[in-house]
Amino acid sequence: GQNIDQPTEMTATEGAIVQINCTYQTSGFNGLFWYQQHAGEAPTFLSYNVLDGLEEKGRFSSFLSRSKGYSYLLLKELQMKDSASYLCAARRSNYQLIWGAGTKLIIKP
Amino acid sequence: GAVVSQHPSRVICKSGTSVKIECRSLDFQATTMFWYRQFPKQSLMLMATSNEGSKATYEQGVEKDKFLINHASLTLSTLTVTSAHPEDSSFYICSAPWDADTQYFGPGTRLTVL
Repeated sequence: GQNIDQPTEMTATEGAIVQINCTYQTSGFNGLFWYQQHAGEAPTFLSYNVLDGLEEKGRFSSFLSRSKGYSYLLLKELQMKDSASYLCAARRSNYQLIWGAGTKLIIKP
Repeated sequence: GAVVSQHPSRVICKSGTSVKIECRSLDFQATTMFWYRQFPKQSLMLMATSNEGSKATYEQGVEKDKFLINHASLTLSTLTVTSAHPEDSSFYICSAPWDADTQYFGPGTRLTVL
């Protein structure tokens, strides 16, 4: 079956670091995406991991462990504009994405 | 960068009418496009895979006769919600893969059925 789990909501302080976890069970797994979605808008691409390990891209980093079915998104130096929902999505070999429910991140001053 | 557009961005219709949503890849060709639906505070749910030149592939539980998909060209896919009802009110998003690692999303269409 297909299953992706991530926390529903997280709260963090401006300037701090937050880690959003995602676990997945997906047949035909072919990579893990992270997207940011502001309310009422389409998701925007953050990262894509296909190999195990950490990929850093500015303030955002993403990690994947295929053997554990686990990924996380790490956000550093949090800014108020980072308040959004963060969705992980597992890619199947035919380009289809299976989505997690999203983690609503609330940034407090 | 590659862009995917959707039209309209917002539509309000009466119950029983049909609504057509267009999804265009603006500077690349897409033999495949995906249609998603997202209810408030819920995840994106894949509805169907639109294939240029052949029939769409629908996910389990999605009525193909209600959600008509036509992939008329390499840059255009349309989703028609037929005989819309209030429970069809949702945020509809299309996406198109640009390469093996990249998928671009349209801005979404907010459908409200009265």
